[in-house]
Amino acid sequence: DTAVSQTPKYLVTQMGNDKSIKCEQNLGHDTMYWYKQDSKKFLKIMFSYNNKELIINETVPNRFSPKSPDKAHLNLHINSLELGDSAVYFCASSQDLGSEQYFGPGTRLTVT
Amino acid sequence: RKEVEQDPGPFNVPEGATVAFNCTYSNSASQSFFWYRQDCRKEPKLLMSVYSSGNEDGRFTAQLNRASQYISLLIRDSKLSDSATYLCVVSVNTNAGKSTFGDGTTLTVKP
Repeated sequence: DTAVSQTPKYLVTQMGNDKSIKCEQNLGHDTMYWYKQDSKKFLKIMFSYNNKELIINETVPNRFSPKSPDKAHLNLHINSLELGDSAVYFCASSQDLGSEQYFGPGTRLTVT
Repeated sequence: RKEVEQDPGPFNVPEGATVAFNCTYSNSASQSFFWYRQDCRKEPKLLMSVYSSGNEDGRFTAQLNRASQYISLLIRDSKLSDSATYLCVVSVNTNAGKSTFGDGTTLTVKP
């Protein structure tokens, strides 16, 4: 059984479009995250939710909007996509803040 | 100064070698420490947590030095399959706590 799943795995779209990435975890964890890993392979936290509440919102353009309908899901919506948004986006979950995290397989976003 | 710093490498070692990575952190309030490994085009996966007294898992040994604010990972008898990027993670466990990932150290084990 997949612990943390993301859809889609690959996403190719044009500049200016709006897209969403979905994440689900079946681990019963309270905390979920979105990370961006750019072409230089650096992993940067974007958002963190704990019990459906936004805890961490790093310096991310407001074109990015996370939504957590319940503790098991954390979706990421991106408006007006730009070339610089091309990256791999990882979802992760942990039992609570500061605990070990379990990552989804990633969504490879390419903006053309 | 970055919150978490790692030597990016690359470390190129022969099979069977012993290799060690260090990771320094700046926030003295940090409470939890981890090592993850990330294979090319894959997600990061937890390798091991790092405990105050140090801990070992097979060929891997992790240590924490709070006074000097660094953690280390030692890999003995390197295997080809150990080739990956190793990420250290430092967490502050408060209500607004967060985990900070280092930029990773790349290891290549050669035959």
